[in-house]
Amino acid sequence: SQKIEQNSEALNIQEGKTATLTCNYTNYSPAYLQWYRQDPGRGPVFLLLIRENEKEKRKERLKVTFDTTLKQSLFHITASQPADSATYLCALERSSARQLTFGSGTQLTVLP
Amino acid sequence: DGGITQSPKYLFRKEGQNVTLSCEQNLNHDAMYWYRQDPGQGLRLIYYSQIVNDFQKGDIAEGYSVSREKKESFPLTVTSAQKNPTAFYLCASIPRGEGRQPQHFGDGTRLSIL
Repeated sequence: SQKIEQNSEALNIQEGKTATLTCNYTNYSPAYLQWYRQDPGRGPVFLLLIRENEKEKRKERLKVTFDTTLKQSLFHITASQPADSATYLCALERSSARQLTFGSGTQLTVLP
Repeated sequence: DGGITQSPKYLFRKEGQNVTLSCEQNLNHDAMYWYRQDPGQGLRLIYYSQIVNDFQKGDIAEGYSVSREKKESFPLTVTSAQKNPTAFYLCASIPRGEGRQPQHFGDGTRLSIL
C-alpha cells in the first residue's frame, strides 16, 4: 500500500542553524510533492511545490529537494528562527487527480 | 480578503446526535475537500467535491455525509454512525485550472463528545 513517512515526530534545533526535515514515500510515483506549515489549532498553509522533473526549489530561507530514485524529499530551513516553530507536513499527489495524501508531520521547535 | 471560513471553531456532540460542520469559501474555487486530523496522524480524506451537485467518498467516509448545493459551500454532517468522531476537521479548496494547485485550508473545527 502507499505510504508516506516523515522522519520524526519532533525536531529541536538551535536558532540560526539549518533545519532539515525528511519525507519518504513508498509505492507512489507522484508527479509533484508539496510542503505545508501548520500552527497549533490552525489549518495548514502552503509553502512550496516541487515537480518530479525539478531537483530543487527555493523560496527565501526555504529549500526543497525531490529525489524520485530515492523516493525522498528534503525540506530545509536555513538561518532558523523561533518563529519557524510549527508542524511541517509533506503531501503527495495521488493517482486520482487533484487529491493529496499527507504525511503525519514533523513538529519543529527552534530554540532561542 | 478571500478565504475559507469554518464554523464553529469548537463543537460538542452528544451520543446519538448528528452535527453539521460549516465550510464556506469566497475564493471561487471549484473543488472542495474535507479532512480529519487526529493527534500524531496525517490528514485523512473524508469526502471531496469537484463541482456543484457532485461529490465522492474519500478514504474514511463511513459515518459522514456531505452536500454541495452551492459552489461556495460544502457542509459536512457527522452522523451518529460515526463512533469515534472526536477529531480536528479541516476543509480545503483548490481552483480550476491546468497544472497543480496548492490546497487552501480553513482553520478547522474541533469536535468533541460530551
